[in-house]
Amino acid sequence: NAGVTQTPKFRVLKTGQSMTLLCAQDMNHEYMYWYRQDPGMGLRLIHYSVGEGTTAKGEVPDGYNVSRLKKQNFLLGLESAAPSQTSVYFCASSPPGQGTYEQYFGPGTRLTVT
Amino acid sequence: AQKITQTQPGMFVQEKEAVTLDCTYDTSDPSYGLFWYKQPSSGEMIFLIYQGSYDQQNATEGRYSLNFQKARKSANLVISASQLGDSAMYFCAMRELRGGGATNKLIFGTGTLLAVQP
Repeated sequence: NAGVTQTPKFRVLKTGQSMTLLCAQDMNHEYMYWYRQDPGMGLRLIHYSVGEGTTAKGEVPDGYNVSRLKKQNFLLGLESAAPSQTSVYFCASSPPGQGTYEQYFGPGTRLTVT
Repeated sequence: AQKITQTQPGMFVQEKEAVTLDCTYDTSDPSYGLFWYKQPSSGEMIFLIYQGSYDQQNATEGRYSLNFQKARKSANLVISASQLGDSAMYFCAMRELRGGGATNKLIFGTGTLLAVQP
């Protein structure tokens, strides 16, 4: 199993450009998440999904959109990139339910907006 | 509102010694879970250990143990016999189970950078 994969691994954008980050998981997990990681701030939740066709806002959703058309994929879009969106983006997935259901993380995408 | 606090931005430890990384949390939900993740310099997030709020015993996983003090709202990670490969950023995270845990969302602390010295 590949687990959680993210495409691309690195990207440089100019201010105002748009792009889509792709997250794919092969563990049949219901839940998926997008985080951003900035120095000194830990990971912050951008958007999440609890199932195919559903999305919800997290802690820092402004400037981002998401879609979950297929259970295994979760897309993060930046419509008009800003330098403040320079960050490392992580996708994660988890099964539903309580207990030791940790989130499984992808390798991350390093995005620089100039 | 739920919150995770890691007050140690960085720590040093000698190889083969034990080290404790601090984590305190704040929540009004009586049912929650606490996680520790490791992030080496390569960047991936690695799950280490989990403690549920109703678990009677402290969680252990190999050289990792969680010192869970519910009354103090602390969930410190103890790494025994440190190894050079333990050098990494460590994140504490919490999941509230309010509403049946319908989202499994995590709130992360800001992390502690651990350096193991030979």
